[in-house]
Amino acid sequence: SQELEQSPQSLIVQEGKNLTINCTSSKTLYGLYWYKQKYGEGLIFLMMLQKGGEEKSHEKITAKLDEKKQQSSLHITASQPSHAGIYLCGADRPLVDTGRRALTFGSGTRLQVQP
Amino acid sequence: DADVTQTPRNRITKTGKRIMLECSQTKGHDRMYWYRQDPGLGLRLIYYSFDVKDINKGEISDGYSVSRQAQAKFSLSLESAIPNQTALYFCATSEGVRGDGYTFGSGTRLTVV
Repeated sequence: SQELEQSPQSLIVQEGKNLTINCTSSKTLYGLYWYKQKYGEGLIFLMMLQKGGEEKSHEKITAKLDEKKQQSSLHITASQPSHAGIYLCGADRPLVDTGRRALTFGSGTRLQVQP
Repeated sequence: DADVTQTPRNRITKTGKRIMLECSQTKGHDRMYWYRQDPGLGLRLIYYSFDVKDINKGEISDGYSVSRQAQAKFSLSLESAIPNQTALYFCATSEGVRGDGYTFGSGTRLTVV
């Protein structure tokens, strides 16, 4: 979806380095989901953020939603090869035609971690 | 057993053939969705259903149809498959309460030759 912009599109880091992935929306984010996907496989749910300023952590991954609820960041500390994959942000928002809610996704960030 | 099960996991089919991808869930959710993922892109919504009798087109519904046979089952059909429908297809469910999660199936990799 063009409504969610992820950056960078791809990222190569050395093992042990920190990194940040951003997800930006032109509209208010009421529910922002982060998923990880191994290449060609299913989606692994990481975290969901709802409130402005909210921050959640799981192991070495921290996700934040800014106060204005239009940008979220995913930060990985001391990256490992197991962190490699595609990271997707998804926004729970009303669909244009019906007003019903569904997840719309950014285009993803491909992360490679070099040993 | 997985909460959301997709069958088949992989399928190769020929251009012009009709093919059905199936999705079943044990979550008890009313809302079900079909998404498509192409390489280098995020997931795009094909169809969604908020109830057995409530089915709606998503962003990219052309060339696809769906059937909601029961609360737990939501099938996606390609009436006449074409090569640019080669993609990874995901089924998802949600309860519909804001803040509730979306549960995804493991995906079906479809190749149209």
